[in-house]
Amino acid sequence: SAVISQKPSRDICQRGTSLTIQCQVDSQVTMMFWYRQQPGQSLTLIATANQGSEATYESGFVIDKFPISRPNLTFSTLTVSNMSPEDSSIYLCSAGGTRTGEAFFGQGTRLTVV
Amino acid sequence: AQRVTQPEKLLSVFKGAPVELKCNYSYSGSPELFWYVQYSRQRLQLLLRHISRESIKGFTADLNKGETSFHLKKPFAQEEDSAMYYCALRSYNTDKLIFGTGTRLQVFP
Repeated sequence: SAVISQKPSRDICQRGTSLTIQCQVDSQVTMMFWYRQQPGQSLTLIATANQGSEATYESGFVIDKFPISRPNLTFSTLTVSNMSPEDSSIYLCSAGGTRTGEAFFGQGTRLTVV
Repeated sequence: AQRVTQPEKLLSVFKGAPVELKCNYSYSGSPELFWYVQYSRQRLQLLLRHISRESIKGFTADLNKGETSFHLKKPFAQEEDSAMYYCALRSYNTDKLIFGTGTRLQVFP
């Protein structure tokens, strides 16, 4: 199993600013992912954080808005740039790549943009 | 396109009643299906996966390829089963999960 620590757990930010969310895994994992969960909606995959190379973004998400870093096999960051109220959401970090296929999740970052 | 559909946003039952949370998927290859659960104030966690064919906390789910379904069932619901349940699909050879919209299960005493 993997234990994922995510911080901050919540934040209230002014529009136009940026927030960086950190995700730390207690063991080396092959795959790390970032999801967004907007109010009343399901989890939507933003991107796959690749170690040592650029992240792979899903349709509708771009690097300029959501830059991602993955400097090693246990850590990743997601930045939400130039925020607007529409970015208010829960952002979740996930680690996968296990033999069983199970994914592990952080506790989430609840972001409110005012 | 890969898609997971959970038609019910909310399912309310009384304790001891049977429960079935519906999940249908769309995928052209051989998918891996999972049920994840999120209890109040806890993080999302795996409940069960189709390849293991196991029963967890009394829940079972059978993959029906003909109907492209993976419904979650429990014969006798308990109050502690109240939570948000997500059906998820993982495409072969990747670790990306595609989630359904989730079903909130409320079990009343």
